Amino acid sequence: EPEVTQTPSHQVTQMGQEVILRCVPISNHLYFYWYRQILGQKVEFLVSFYNNEISEKSEIFDDQFSVERPDGSNFTLKIRSTKLEDSAMYFCASRARGGQETQYFGPGTRLLVL
Amino acid sequence: KQEVTQIPAALSVPEGENLVLNCSFTDSAIYNLQWFRQDPGKGLTSLLLIQSSQREQTSGRLNASLDKSSGRSTLYIAASQPGDSATYLCAVKGNQFYFGTGTSLTVIP
Repeated sequence: EPEVTQTPSHQVTQMGQEVILRCVPISNHLYFYWYRQILGQKVEFLVSFYNNEISEKSEIFDDQFSVERPDGSNFTLKIRSTKLEDSAMYFCASRARGGQETQYFGPGTRLLVL
Repeated sequence: KQEVTQIPAALSVPEGENLVLNCSFTDSAIYNLQWFRQDPGKGLTSLLLIQSSQREQTSGRLNASLDKSSGRSTLYIAASQPGDSATYLCAVKGNQFYFGTGTSLTVIP
């Protein structure tokens, strides 16, 4: 069964460093999402991406964040200058086009900012 | 701003019991509501999606209902099994996605 994959599974970085989280969505999916979950808290929506542009973003997704689909398969989330409070699990999700809006999630990247 | 609340926060039941998880949301202007399960350290697995025009969806032992006007959804799990132990999340789609805090379910063999 097709699945969303994410790399790396864990990343440790120093405050102020840039990180890039990578996702490979399911191949025929056209809508892509990033979420984060700070330990012990709710899953929070960050951004949705369709047709090579951001379609929606939350107030969390400020200028420190960017997303890109650099080729036909990868979908990346970049955090330019990480802060301690960026430590969280980051989930990528994708869904197919059409009426069925079920999102399929990847296993997540656990980011720790020191 | 949409607020999504799930009750109870944690639930422990013996195997075989039927159980109900609750989700409430403050803004009824939603497109759909989705139930997920999350296993420790893992991603989310979609269980059921209910469009705003629908009242319920069923998949196997799971049944989810939606009462949009009152801002409520329930997830009914029949004949619970130890493998059902996980955290169950509901999420609503309005102008963006909002998740609840989750219900941590433990099914005791």
